[in-house]
Amino acid sequence: DAGITQSPRHKVTETGTPVTLRCHQTENHRYMYWYRQDPGHGLRLIHYSYGVKDTDKGEVSDGYSVSRSKTEDFLLTLESATSSQTSVYFCAITSVLQSPLHFGNGTRLTVT
Amino acid sequence: KQEVTQIPAALSVPEGENLVLNCSFTDSAIYNLQWFRQDPGKGLTSLLLIQSSQREQTSGRLNASLDKSSGRSTLYIAASQPGDSATYLCAVRSGNTGTASKLTFGTGTRLQVTL
Repeated sequence: DAGITQSPRHKVTETGTPVTLRCHQTENHRYMYWYRQDPGHGLRLIHYSYGVKDTDKGEVSDGYSVSRSKTEDFLLTLESATSSQTSVYFCAITSVLQSPLHFGNGTRLTVT
Repeated sequence: KQEVTQIPAALSVPEGENLVLNCSFTDSAIYNLQWFRQDPGKGLTSLLLIQSSQREQTSGRLNASLDKSSGRSTLYIAASQPGDSATYLCAVRSGNTGTASKLTFGTGTRLQVTL
């Protein structure tokens, strides 16, 4: 899986609680992305990073924040989880934009 | 805004058949296009990447073509096998800066290859 580890793999949490998902890579790739996948919507970009401390919003960033203090780690935080954030979250990485994007195995998050 | 469409949403074929999956996109000014497969409950596996200057890429039994002017890409699978059963996703990268560098995904074609 191109040296990408997502944790946790599964999480159930209650509405209103903060949640942090972690993406760890061993490839020293510059670009990291967080996507969510939902039936009927496909994969949608939440946030992405183009270097340490360099992040930007994607198309569905409301209610999410990210941090990248080291090349290898990209954290996604749900400030106050809502049921609409129940989804499967995928992290993806690439070294340069001419190269393929590689995905982690995903985190299945359920907000009750 | 780039939009990516994949038709059909689902496809069932007998083993051994050659098949074509279709992907269309609305903005022909793309940077590159990537095909993935996704098995149930798993992440996405990259199959082929075509740069905007290329017309096709091949890997084993897979061949992907790109026609930017018509906003289309096809994934050709030769001599299909039951192990090819998965969802196939097409994704377009529109540029190399800012939000254009993200991939825009289609919703996929779910392929089933029967014995």
